[in-house]
Amino acid sequence: GAVVSQHPSWVICKSGTSVKIECRSLDFQATTMFWYRQFPKQSLMLMATSNEGSKATYEQGVEKDKFLINHASLTLSTLTVTSAHPEDSSFYICSARGLAGIDIQYFGAGTRLSVL
Amino acid sequence: QQQVKQSPQSLIVQKGGISIINCAYENTAFDYFPWYQQFPGKGPALLIAIRPDVSEKKEGRFTISFNKSAKQFSLHIMDSQPGDSATYFCAASKNTGRRALTFGSGTRLQVQP
Repeated sequence: GAVVSQHPSWVICKSGTSVKIECRSLDFQATTMFWYRQFPKQSLMLMATSNEGSKATYEQGVEKDKFLINHASLTLSTLTVTSAHPEDSSFYICSARGLAGIDIQYFGAGTRLSVL
Repeated sequence: QQQVKQSPQSLIVQKGGISIINCAYENTAFDYFPWYQQFPGKGPALLIAIRPDVSEKKEGRFTISFNKSAKQFSLHIMDSQPGDSATYFCAASKNTGRRALTFGSGTRLQVQP
């Protein structure tokens, strides 16, 4: 299967700082990338969808000014958690979908964010 | 509104047994149904997927059964092994728009040696 790399795998930051998470499709061009949030022992909740070169589409209840998404190229999307607070601590996972008409989503390994 | 309902929440199976996880969906616009396996601290990995025009799909020890009229689909893991112990998620997506996945709540499978 295709490979999606997510970096960093774990980050600890102080409250009020910003954290950037990168998601890269290594061996295919990702027309669409998705960002999910997962709390312990819970399911994945879609936060936003991004397409290369256009603004991200955020799910209801997700603060777009807090979770900035940039999809600058067909292989890279970034999620920046701005002014992070302890309640933002979670497991963030990205996924990427390739060619139009193909539904398969490949997931990154996730990033565990701990805000002190 | 939970669009994909998954059961059971947890499952314990003996080594060599069959693990069965069930999902039901509400939205008839869904037309792609994947199953993902997730180990602790890792991202989900695609196991197997099916579309509504097929009633069953088998890949190795993993089989999806699909009942379009009942809007239900299930994952069967044959000859379950301790290495299969993980959380399994069913999901569904529509063939229009963003085609984002809607996930079930997950099933924690434990295969005892």
